[in-house]
Amino acid sequence: QKEVEQNSGPLSVPEGAIASLNCTYSDRGSQSFFWYRQYSGKSPELIMFIYSNGDKEDGRFTAQLNKASQYVSLLIRDSQPSDSATYLCAGNYGGSQGNLIFGKGTKLSVKP
Amino acid sequence: DGGITQSPKYLFRKEGQNVTLSCEQNLNHDAMYWYRQDPGQGLRLIYYSQIVNDFQKGDIAEGYSVSREKKESFPLTVTSAQKNPTAFYLCASSIVGGSGANVLTFGAGSRLTVL
Repeated sequence: QKEVEQNSGPLSVPEGAIASLNCTYSDRGSQSFFWYRQYSGKSPELIMFIYSNGDKEDGRFTAQLNKASQYVSLLIRDSQPSDSATYLCAGNYGGSQGNLIFGKGTKLSVKP
Repeated sequence: DGGITQSPKYLFRKEGQNVTLSCEQNLNHDAMYWYRQDPGQGLRLIYYSQIVNDFQKGDIAEGYSVSREKKESFPLTVTSAQKNPTAFYLCASSIVGGSGANVLTFGAGSRLTVL
């Protein structure tokens, strides 16, 4: 069973802090991972994707991938109340088109 | 502006009725997808299509049907055979192949409620 696991939260951090969101996956065949942000009642929007071991930075966001330990994380620096949303982690298995497996999402709340 | 348009935004269905959700994109993407999202759940793939006149079942295709007669359009029909259709339906698209193959652009979604 190919799965992507996330802690559902809610994860609460104060404004200006670093928010750390984690995701584990079950299949070593996964090649790339995606982080989507979803505001309540809205559709997901891509934050970033990563397919190489290590870190990938984009503004206040850093994605980290550790294939040996089968986990992916997303760090949000200088968290803002506007970052409050559900963050979905998704993995691509085997490189086949359309085979994204989504986690259930972690709800993040940034308190002013 | 390029994007994906889903309609209707809200839809109510009586039990036993078929309903069709519309999805149109002007991003010139070859691949299109339909996902279902239930409260507190991740997205689950219903159907996807990489080329006109061809589509594949996803993880939860039972009770659904699709067509891909035009590159821009990928309508989803929720049939009466779908026993629990109340959900948030998301249409997405992407290019085919390369590093962007699974970078999905989503429409605004259609919320279906069975009365």
